[in-house]
Amino acid sequence: SQQGEEDPQALSIQEGENATMNCSYKTSINNLQWYRQNSGRGLVHLILIRSNEREKHSGRLRVTLDTSKKSSSLLITASRAADTASYFCATVIQGAQKLVFGQGTRLTINP
Amino acid sequence: AAGVIQSPRHLIKEKRETATLKCYPIPRHDTVYWYQQGPGQDPQFLISFYEKMQSDKGSIPDRFSAQQFSDYHSELNMSSLELGDSALYFCASTTGVSSYNEQFFGPGTRLTVL
Repeated sequence: SQQGEEDPQALSIQEGENATMNCSYKTSINNLQWYRQNSGRGLVHLILIRSNEREKHSGRLRVTLDTSKKSSSLLITASRAADTASYFCATVIQGAQKLVFGQGTRLTINP
Repeated sequence: AAGVIQSPRHLIKEKRETATLKCYPIPRHDTVYWYQQGPGQDPQFLISFYEKMQSDKGSIPDRFSAQQFSDYHSELNMSSLELGDSALYFCASTTGVSSYNEQFFGPGTRLTVL
């Protein structure tokens, strides 16, 4: 990936457990966004966190951003089988509008 | 609510052929982005348009060209297709060029080059 890496590349957990995915990036950013993609399908926007924010919540999602470490994490609480998908972080670097995606984490929720 | 429309959804071409992918943004969106996602890869930015003018360019091969029309729809033209062009091509739309505007993605066009 041009900008960052995601960790882990794959994650398999039991339904009801929490899932945490991490994203690191290289350059200064305006904001960081998380997307979800079901196998071979479209990208669904989950949440956007600005560079001056540290934490953001949306339903069962919690995103943190540490600009000093150039990293972000996505926490999905009380996972469900329907959360099975690939999750990508994407950054918007300063002075630009295009999204630069990380490599993605493939999340599998086992019923 | 209306979403981004991409056509066709699936396309099969032979090597060295040409392909045209179309993107119809959400009504009143004036900015369009194109991304390419190879098998098992993350999406890569190709090119973007704002108010019918190219606003940014990424890793788009010279064999590809794109434009945005007066009704804001966009077309990605791909010539001399290669096997490596097989990918999902996404279009996303938004309003303006603010870095904080959410990009709304279409369902993608799956291009297979044989």
